[in-house]
Amino acid sequence: GQNIDQPTEMTATEGAIVQINCTYQTSGFNGLFWYQQHAGEAPTFLSYNVLDGLEEKGRFSSFLSRSKGYSYLLLKELQMKDSASYLCAVRDPYGQNFVFGPGTRLSVLP
Amino acid sequence: DAGVIQSPRHEVTEMGQEVTLRCKPISGHDYLFWYRQTMMRGLELLIYFNNNVPIDDSGMPEDRFSAKMPNASFSTLKIQPSEPRDSAVYFCASCLGTGGGGQYFGPGTRLTVT
Repeated sequence: GQNIDQPTEMTATEGAIVQINCTYQTSGFNGLFWYQQHAGEAPTFLSYNVLDGLEEKGRFSSFLSRSKGYSYLLLKELQMKDSASYLCAVRDPYGQNFVFGPGTRLSVLP
Repeated sequence: DAGVIQSPRHEVTEMGQEVTLRCKPISGHDYLFWYRQTMMRGLELLIYFNNNVPIDDSGMPEDRFSAKMPNASFSTLKIQPSEPRDSAVYFCASCLGTGGGGQYFGPGTRLTVT
């Protein structure tokens, strides 16, 4: 099975940088995904890592260490609209079974 | 592209009634997923299909839940009979292949069972 852990809440200031961590224990692994979910809306895909290292996409970057069962999402130049929940999800190696973490609620303050 | 379409957006029903949720995936996507989201349990995968065939339904809570995908452009999730603990937001999502493109979620159906 899969067990995924994320901090429940984080607060940061507009213009700053924030790192949201995700740790997982898994019986198998075929990719880690990050999603953003604004309150009352559906999750939207942000990034994907399957190999170790950093993937950069504009203001957002995601890092993966498979040996440590660890990933983080880095958000730079924070904007008020980045206030949302951020979910990490692990895909199993046998198909498309995704297990989502509990999500981290990020509040960006002026 | 219209994205993933779900209906209804909101459903309020009484305990014991049958509920049917509908989903139209993005054209060309070969995977379709049904999720349930609650404050207590977060986002849970219920079932997913590949080319209209159910692949893994281990997340379906019990026999009261059933899902079908009669063709590539339509899927239903049915709850019969419904119970108050089924109250949640139900999302449908679709994606293409098993690569790193991520899933596209529909707007969700907010179900309230009284």
